Amino acid sequence: GDSVTQMEGPVTLSEEAFLTINCTYTATGYPSLFWYVQYPGEGLQLLLKATKADDKGSNKGFEATYRKETTSFHLEKGSVQVSDSAVYFCALSDLGANSKLTFGKGITLSVRP
Amino acid sequence: KAGVTQTPRYLIKTRGQQVTLSCSPISGHRSVSWYQQTPGQGLQFLFEYFSETQRNKGNFPGRFSGRQFSNSRSEMNVSTLELGDSALYLCASSFGGSSTDTQYFGPGTRLTVL
Repeated sequence: GDSVTQMEGPVTLSEEAFLTINCTYTATGYPSLFWYVQYPGEGLQLLLKATKADDKGSNKGFEATYRKETTSFHLEKGSVQVSDSAVYFCALSDLGANSKLTFGKGITLSVRP
Repeated sequence: KAGVTQTPRYLIKTRGQQVTLSCSPISGHRSVSWYQQTPGQGLQFLFEYFSETQRNKGNFPGRFSGRQFSNSRSEMNVSTLELGDSALYLCASSFGGSSTDTQYFGPGTRLTVL
């Protein structure tokens, strides 16, 4: 079945540091890939997405490229801010599975001033 | 445009009781999905409804059920509550319900079972 694997956390960075959060996936079909972010006490917000191989999703300085050859969708940001502190989830939705999202376990990011 | 709303935001129940949670999707969205979030299991898919029909179901016992109304609003019901049902229940809506659509999440209902 479908699965998403995220790197273990938590991650603590200083402000303006470079961020990489690894995400790899297993899917039977042709998935769309997503990064969602969850702030304390809130639901999930879409950060970015990519729906086909080699697509790059980007938003608020975050980027991720859909790599079919390595089945990866790593999240990067060049300079993190304290306000980026949150939990980040990588997810996939497989073609034919309609809206069903399969999530990774999530990783907590803390950014120090 | 108003976002996805969920009611109630917090619930406390005792074992053996049943509970109904409600979700109002973004106007015009026809697909509603439900997820359970716990510290141990993470985010798990419960079910998805599209135009009042259940299209997809996750691996949960039959105590978990749902429905969708003609205005796309959805409810989920959990009967015979167990301690392990304590979780944040999230509802998400999307316009067409395809795998490429963005899903928009509500703030969740925090259910505590005592």
